Amino acid sequence: GEEVAQTPKHLVRGEGQKAKLYCAPIKGHSYVFWYQQVLKNEFKFLISFQNENVFDETGMPKERFSAKCLPNSPCSLEIQATKLEDSAVYFCASTRTSEHGYTFGSGTRLTVV
Amino acid sequence: SQKIEQNSEALNIQEGKTATLTCNYTNYSPAYLQWYRQDPGRGPVFLLLIRENEKEKRKERLKVTFDTTLKQSLFHITASQPADSATYLCAPNSGGSYIPTFGRGTSLIVHP
Repeated sequence: GEEVAQTPKHLVRGEGQKAKLYCAPIKGHSYVFWYQQVLKNEFKFLISFQNENVFDETGMPKERFSAKCLPNSPCSLEIQATKLEDSAVYFCASTRTSEHGYTFGSGTRLTVV
Repeated sequence: SQKIEQNSEALNIQEGKTATLTCNYTNYSPAYLQWYRQDPGRGPVFLLLIRENEKEKRKERLKVTFDTTLKQSLFHITASQPADSATYLCAPNSGGSYIPTFGRGTSLIVHP
């Protein structure tokens, strides 16, 4: 399809619980990116993939965050032992090449209580 | 450290006028710069990408300029309409990487 599909739209987790977010990129797009938007308009880059390979993970808090993009499956972002500060909107984006504009999904709003 | 600055104050203009938004960056030299629009509760929508060897790019009522000497990009919307009201995000690719880093955005409000 021509949209990046993110599920679920909303996710509520108690502190310490696990959260798993999904992203189906546009077919034919080789690159997938995850961003975290904590405060209004402040985007933090987390990780990017080229096909199923991690391309850049410099933004990932590795002790609790992990991500995968496996063939024929949606990409996923998993947060173990969530903390209050993980509350944010998580956006996934995909692009054909690194020099094209990105197509973003509508985001998953994670609320940790 | 690398910084991207967009005007944090909302830009209010009258319908029909030209809106000009500014993006300044410091301490790196992006090979290209993207502009996005974000509406409340939605993901950013790609508008334009301009490369370092391009001075200007246009798409319909939109125009982007890229001055690598001043380290600045300007984003113009001509004949603005209330439907153009949104937050506009500047995203240069970070130095040495193709990953775009987003500015905090400028809110544009077009009054009928």
